[in-house]
Amino acid sequence: GDSVTQMEGPVTLSEEAFLTINCTYTATGYPSLFWYVQYPGEGLQLLLKATKADDKGSNKGFEATYRKETTSFHLEKGSVQVSDSAVYFCALSLTSGTYKYIFGTGTRLKVLA
Amino acid sequence: EPEVTQTPSHQVTQMGQEVILRCVPISNHLYFYWYRQILGQKVEFLVSFYNNEISEKSEIFDDQFSVERPDGSNFTLKIRSTKLEDSAMYFCASSEGLVDENIQYFGAGTRLSVL
Repeated sequence: GDSVTQMEGPVTLSEEAFLTINCTYTATGYPSLFWYVQYPGEGLQLLLKATKADDKGSNKGFEATYRKETTSFHLEKGSVQVSDSAVYFCALSLTSGTYKYIFGTGTRLKVLA
Repeated sequence: EPEVTQTPSHQVTQMGQEVILRCVPISNHLYFYWYRQILGQKVEFLVSFYNNEISEKSEIFDDQFSVERPDGSNFTLKIRSTKLEDSAMYFCASSEGLVDENIQYFGAGTRLSVL
């Protein structure tokens, strides 16, 4: 069935370090892919998205490229800040038959000053 | 910016009791969803709701669960007789329902603790 696999956390980095959070997916058809972020006490907020192969989503210095050949959507940021500390969720949405999201487990990021 | 609001933020209940989790979706959205996340596990889809009826539900969403849109603004999830394994964070979401985008907007969640 359709699924999303995310790297296990927590991930602890120093400020200004490079971040990669891996996400791979299994899906029938051509899903849309999303990264959501959850700050403490808040809801899941859309960080970025990509709707077709080779699309690059970007926002707030974060980027992810939809790679159909490797079924991946890895999240990257060149220089993390303490304020990026949060839980990051990778998700997919199939574009036919259903609107539900399928999520990964979430990866907790902690950035130290 | 419009947001999805969920109440309460934390609900504690005894096993076997009924609970109602409440959500106010974004006002012009047409699709509504409930998800849950058991501690340490994936966020799982429970149910989607459109045009005053369930459009899809997962195998988790058994007869103990029901959803309702009792008025023009609220969207509720009822668990009829809670079990210990219902303890989880429950997220409500809403979307405009555009196929190409399908961006869902989430509330902060309700943490349900069943004792």
